Amino acid sequence: AQTVTQSQPEMSVQEAETVTLSCTYDTSESDYYLFWYKQPPSRQMILVIRQEAYKQQNATENRFSVNFQKAAKSFSLKISDSQLGDAAMYFCAYWDTDKLIFGTGTRLQVFP
Amino acid sequence: NAGVTQTPKFRVLKTGQSMTLLCAQDMNHEYMYWYRQDPGMGLRLIHYSVGEGTTAKGEVPDGYNVSRLKKQNFLLGLESAAPSQTSVYFCASSWQVGEQYFGPGTRLTVT
Repeated sequence: AQTVTQSQPEMSVQEAETVTLSCTYDTSESDYYLFWYKQPPSRQMILVIRQEAYKQQNATENRFSVNFQKAAKSFSLKISDSQLGDAAMYFCAYWDTDKLIFGTGTRLQVFP
Repeated sequence: NAGVTQTPKFRVLKTGQSMTLLCAQDMNHEYMYWYRQDPGMGLRLIHYSVGEGTTAKGEVPDGYNVSRLKKQNFLLGLESAAPSQTSVYFCASSWQVGEQYFGPGTRLTVT
């Protein structure tokens, strides 16, 4: 069965600095989708970024980018120029046939 | 477009009572999902549906039932509420493959 592992329960970063959140997954598939979701204190789940495994180019959305290492089954999220509004829980997710498999999340704190 | 909406936003039940949570989406998505999130935890899938009239069990289905009579609606029922079902419940919808769009959540407390 596919699994998603986020090994960092908590991370912290200073405003304007860069932080990287780790995610690894296990799959025997060659084509699949990966996602990062953000959950701020409001609890609303917000899609941050999406990566399709057949695309070698790393996805980027403004200050958010991923480092997708297919062979290593690694999918880390880099947040550049961190802002106070980036403080949230971040969940990595893998698309498995007809549903998402979520990791346990990383809580990101941003300090002024 | 309203996206994904959930009714109600908050609810308090006594042990043994029943209730239904309603999820509605206006994006014509085929797939819909119900999750629960306990404090400090990730999301756990309860039930899901890949189309009108279909349902399937997720990771934690016991104590819950679902129905998808209309494409835009997905109902989650608790037949006999227990304190262990105190949680925040999220509904989500998606196309056949791709990102899920989430509702704002329902906070349920069972006393």
